[in-house]
Amino acid sequence: KNEVEQSPQNLTAQEGEFITINCSYSVGISALHWLQQHPGGGIVSLFMLSSGKKKHGRLIATINIQEKHSSLHITASHPRDSAVYICAAQKTSYDKVIFGPGTSLSVIP
Amino acid sequence: EPEVTQTPSHQVTQMGQEVILRCVPISNHLYFYWYRQILGQKVEFLVSFYNNEISEKSEIFDDQFSVERPDGSNFTLKIRSTKLEDSAMYFCASSDTTRQTQYFGPGTRLLVL
Repeated sequence: KNEVEQSPQNLTAQEGEFITINCSYSVGISALHWLQQHPGGGIVSLFMLSSGKKKHGRLIATINIQEKHSSLHITASHPRDSAVYICAAQKTSYDKVIFGPGTSLSVIP
Repeated sequence: EPEVTQTPSHQVTQMGQEVILRCVPISNHLYFYWYRQILGQKVEFLVSFYNNEISEKSEIFDDQFSVERPDGSNFTLKIRSTKLEDSAMYFCASSDTTRQTQYFGPGTRLLVL
């Protein structure tokens, strides 16, 4: 069983739609990262969460530590949001980050 | 805003050759990491480095790999004798003393022929 799982694997949305990407993990963590990977391959860190909720512009990330689940929401989606969104768990007492398989999002005008 | 930089952005090499991938972490960061992503697969942890020592490494990080901080600014990943399966995107990351978040570089795309 993968330690970090995401759903859905692929997502196509119309511009303006509200989008949710889910992440579940099976390991103890000190932090949960949401990252965006552009078509060219570069990675950008969006959020680091250890509890609760964070908001940045149209992006909202939430985490439920008890349920080992996190969600990334995008409000009023736009074609420039098209990318792969990756959930990654930073394991308790360890440095390494375990990456999920990513969710490929395509927002159509 | 400070950022992690990596050079080169792309590298093509022949199987068996040595390659050195370079990273310049954010200047006040003390923890450094290398990750790789084989095309179509998820990102995988290779190694973490602190205080001039490897603090953790994955099973991928075998004897053909080494890391070094040759001076106060660079952090390098050396692959001694490249194999076809080393073809991947290699990402460097760094974090400060809190280790609360890791900042990623743009990656080096390595192609081994």
